[in-house]
Amino acid sequence: AQSVTQLGSHVSVSEGALVLLRCNYSSSVPPYLFWYVQYPNQGLQLLLKYTSAATLVKGINGFEAEFKKSETSFHLTKPSAHMSDAAEYFCAVSDWGKLIFGQGTELSVKP
Amino acid sequence: NAGVTQTPKFQVLKTGQSMTLQCAQDMNHEYMSWYRQDPGMGLRLIHYSVGAGITDQGEVPNGYNVSRSTTEDFPLRLLSAAPSQTSVYFCASSEGQGPGTQYFGPGTRLLVL
Repeated sequence: AQSVTQLGSHVSVSEGALVLLRCNYSSSVPPYLFWYVQYPNQGLQLLLKYTSAATLVKGINGFEAEFKKSETSFHLTKPSAHMSDAAEYFCAVSDWGKLIFGQGTELSVKP
Repeated sequence: NAGVTQTPKFQVLKTGQSMTLQCAQDMNHEYMSWYRQDPGMGLRLIHYSVGAGITDQGEVPNGYNVSRSTTEDFPLRLLSAAPSQTSVYFCASSEGQGPGTQYFGPGTRLLVL
């Protein structure tokens, strides 16, 4: 069975600092991986996705993620945090269209 | 396009009451699904549909029913609400079961007393 683990339920960074949100997956087949963002009281919005093309995936709002098969990881990064990045972030793996989500990481950005 | 819409936005129920959460999409997507979101547990799949007339269970289907009579609509029914069903419910749609993007609705917040 496929699964996703997000390390750290809360991450706090200062404005302008590097953002690193960790995601590890378990899959018996080449995975399709996603990062979604959820702003308060809103639905989920796709940040980026990996579909077996380039291992470094660029998304919206300056985020990117690198697929590392040897480490079974798909960590999300952004070089410089902005106040508007404060939200909850979810990593997910697709199992024939059914998304299996991690527990979520809440990102706080301090001024 | 409105995308994925959900109604109501918020609902309070008493234990044992029934209700239907509505979901509609105007993107002609074949694949639709329902998730529930609970603190610290991410989102979990309740039911999904690969096309009109076809539905299947997800990870947490107990207490919920679905049907898919049209491509556009995918309602979720709670037959006898329980406090354990207090949650935020999201509907999503995508073109198919491949790696395509799933588009999420704004959610329905349900409180069962």
